[in-house]
Amino acid sequence: DADVTQTPRNRITKTGKRIMLECSQTKGHDRMYWYRQDPGLGLRLIYYSFDVKDINKGEISDGYSVSRQAQAKFSLSLESAIPNQTALYFCATSDFSRGDYNEQFFGPGTRLTVL
Amino acid sequence: GEDVEQSLFLSVREGDSSVINCTYTDSSSTYLYWYKQEPGAGLQLLTYIFSNMDMKQDQRLTVLLNKKDKHLSLRIADTQTGDSAIYFCAESNNAGNMLTFGGGTRLMVKP
Repeated sequence: DADVTQTPRNRITKTGKRIMLECSQTKGHDRMYWYRQDPGLGLRLIYYSFDVKDINKGEISDGYSVSRQAQAKFSLSLESAIPNQTALYFCATSDFSRGDYNEQFFGPGTRLTVL
Repeated sequence: GEDVEQSLFLSVREGDSSVINCTYTDSSSTYLYWYKQEPGAGLQLLTYIFSNMDMKQDQRLTVLLNKKDKHLSLRIADTQTGDSAIYFCAESNNAGNMLTFGGGTRLMVKP
């Protein structure tokens, strides 16, 4: 079984709809991240959480919100989706105990299309 | 903010060596990473190098780091069609342990 799972894997929605993307991990890591990937722009950080009570904005948090329901679960919401939020979204985890070394483990991604 | 840059595309023939280059601006980077993204999948760590090293070799992979010029490269020897993927350079520092990614280099390996 995959260590980091994301649901749904694909989603098509309309402008103005509320969307939630979910991420679960079985790695026991305390840190979780949400990124979006656009061609040629690499991965840009949306939000990150260092533990259940710690939520931080990333580089591009406008239009997004998150919830860390448990150590293993981190969900990303688009309150009112717009077409320029069409992208590939990745969840990732890392282990705080590794210090400066920050190997992140990625889920398979969610392809979101906003019409 | 910090910046990591890569060229967008590289095409090589099977059996040749591939060299993917990356430049970064953060002088306090402690670790630099290469991630591989295969079609339809998430990113997987391929290799990494600590900032006090200038070279790391791991089977077909050689990482070179020029800290003075803030230049990182990944050499893949005897490139195979299975190496076709997008390769991302990333860096982290000791101020929060965030990763900053480059835009990714798409490697195409022709038979």
